Amino acid sequence: AQTVTQSQPEMSVQEAETVTLSCTYDTSESDYYLFWYKQPPSRQMILVIRQEAYKQQNATENRFSVNFQKAAKSFSLKISDSQLGDAAMYFCASTPRGGGADGLTFGKGTHLIIQP
Amino acid sequence: KAGVTQTPRYLIKTRGQQVTLSCSPISGHRSVSWYQQTPGQGLQFLFEYFSETQRNKGNFPGRFSGRQFSNSRSEMNVSTLELGDSALYLCASSTTVMNTEAFFGQGTRLTVV
Repeated sequence: AQTVTQSQPEMSVQEAETVTLSCTYDTSESDYYLFWYKQPPSRQMILVIRQEAYKQQNATENRFSVNFQKAAKSFSLKISDSQLGDAAMYFCASTPRGGGADGLTFGKGTHLIIQP
Repeated sequence: KAGVTQTPRYLIKTRGQQVTLSCSPISGHRSVSWYQQTPGQGLQFLFEYFSETQRNKGNFPGRFSGRQFSNSRSEMNVSTLELGDSALYLCASSTTVMNTEAFFGQGTRLTVV
């Protein structure tokens, strides 16, 4: 079984600033995927970034990047040059490679507020 | 390319009734998973279907069931509705098993009164 913990229920950042969202996880799997999903008020979950655990290089997608610390089981998301459209709930998730019996395991989420 | 489509978007049902929710995956995707999202429990996995077969099932009572058709469209059914079943039900599709890139629909908001 896997667990995902997001310790920040809410974060606030000024527009154009940088913010980091924290996520820790626990798994007995040797190979797995980690994800960050964004859920705006429209409710649709949107994949922001994906990390394959066997890859040491941190994933990057435009203004979004992760800091993947495998030994510490930490997977934080950094958003650079924050924009008003980044305001949403952000969920960290994990799943074993090959799919797990529990599907995607999600954290409780972090509500990100962007101050204009 | 059309995204994942869930119908209906909103639903109000009475305790004891049953409900069926529908999910049409992205064309070419063969795996469909369902999740329940509530403020208290967060996102919880219900089940996953692949090629018309239930591949995995989460820890939900037997009142929750699903199926997948040959065109990969999926339905989930909840019988004997309880107030606690009020939630946002999200469907996700992927090309194979749910481990690489899952695309979500906008969900069905179910309210049980």
